[in-house]
Amino acid sequence: GQQVMQIPQYQHVQEGEDFTTYCNSSTTLSNIQWYKQRPGGHPVFLIQLVKSGEVKKQKRLTFQFGEAKKNSSLHITATQTTDVGTYFCAGRGSYIPTFGRGTSLIVHP
Amino acid sequence: DTEVTQTPKHLVMGMTNKKSLKCEQHMGHRAMYWYKQKAKKPPELMFVYSYEKLSINESVPSRFSPECPNSSLLNLHLHALQPEDSALYLCASSQSTGEGSAFFGQGTRLTVV
Repeated sequence: GQQVMQIPQYQHVQEGEDFTTYCNSSTTLSNIQWYKQRPGGHPVFLIQLVKSGEVKKQKRLTFQFGEAKKNSSLHITATQTTDVGTYFCAGRGSYIPTFGRGTSLIVHP
Repeated sequence: DTEVTQTPKHLVMGMTNKKSLKCEQHMGHRAMYWYKQKAKKPPELMFVYSYEKLSINESVPSRFSPECPNSSLLNLHLHALQPEDSALYLCASSQSTGEGSAFFGQGTRLTVV
């Protein structure tokens, strides 16, 4: 079945440093979604990527979808303490999105 | 209204109890989901309803029984649970199963004692 691998599992950064998390799928995806979950909270939708090679930006966040539609990345520039949380990708193959295991971002002030 | 509302927020139940979790959305979404999330793990899909019909049951034990009374409501009936069923139970909805991002409710934090 479809598998979505996400790395790294944890990332510690100093406030102001950049952060990147990567997702790789074993199969071609129709789209990929990114979610953020704060400690003690629930997943909150960030963005959906659909097109091959697509790049979308939200302020300091940059999302990319690979040309083969099998990988994606989320890059945060100049992290802030408010960026703390776990970032999940969810890749949709033919039907239901499959979640990656998430990357927990810890920002040290 | 872009909210998915779940009640209760917290629930403690004994292994012989029967309880229900409730989920409501008014976004006109036709797909609704139940997920289970253990600490430091991703959400794990349990059930999918599409147009009020159960379309996916991810081999969930029968002590969990979903119900979709109408297009806005989704219930999860719990009976004879085990302590290892303690987790955050998340409801989500999307336009359909084939498209649209999932909007999650705040979850019900369930403890089975």
